[in-house]
Amino acid sequence: QVQLVQSGAEVKKPGASVKVSCKASGYTFTSYAMHWVRQAPGQRLEWMGWINAGNGNTKYSQKFQGRVTITRDTSASTAYMELSSLRSEDTAVYYCARAGVYCSSTTCYTYHFDYWGQGTLVTVSS
Amino acid sequence: EIVLTQSPDFQSVTPKEKVTITCRASQSIGSSLHWYQQKPDQSPKLLIKYASQSISGVPSRFSGSGSGTDFTLTINSLEAEDAAAYYCHQSSSLPHSFGQGTKLEIK
Repeated sequence: QVQLVQSGAEVKKPGASVKVSCKASGYTFTSYAMHWVRQAPGQRLEWMGWINAGNGNTKYSQKFQGRVTITRDTSASTAYMELSSLRSEDTAVYYCARAGVYCSSTTCYTYHFDYWGQGTLVTVSS
Repeated sequence: EIVLTQSPDFQSVTPKEKVTITCRASQSIGSSLHWYQQKPDQSPKLLIKYASQSISGVPSRFSGSGSGTDFTLTINSLEAEDAAAYYCHQSSSLPHSFGQGTKLEIK
């Protein structure tokens, strides 16, 4: 069965970076995309970016451009999300979510999020 | 950027009641609209994909409809276990976006 298992909770100081991992199992890792979504307390879900696990190409939300980096290690079937220059407003639960991917000759598209990780709470506090 | 607006934000309902949640997109997204259920302290769970396509394992009382800019999630004969927040999500264009959520309380 498909499982996405994320790393544990983190507490960081403002200005620091955090790297969250998402280990996938139960499917061919490189045949899908992995998205990252966060949810601040009492807020809506917020999309951060995605990686094509097959070719490593990434797309990021303009809101996080320059601060977020999504990578993957195909040998470990694991995706990573690193967020830098943390501030208190980045306190949130961070989720990875799997999506199917389709590529035309010019671009790639992803579908609905069919499996989600359990979430990782990142707390930014001085 | 496509903005999704859900209504209502909150609804208190009794078991066996029929519930309708709407999601309006700021521009046409075809049928690239998906619905998720999120219970307290849990991850979101996919309920409906592409506006109206059912998901294996999801009870048949959940259904979706719509296209373009207006979409609806319907829950027929509500059960106590349906107490949760419900979110719509568009995958038509980047950045992906979500509605603000609708919280259902069971009386």
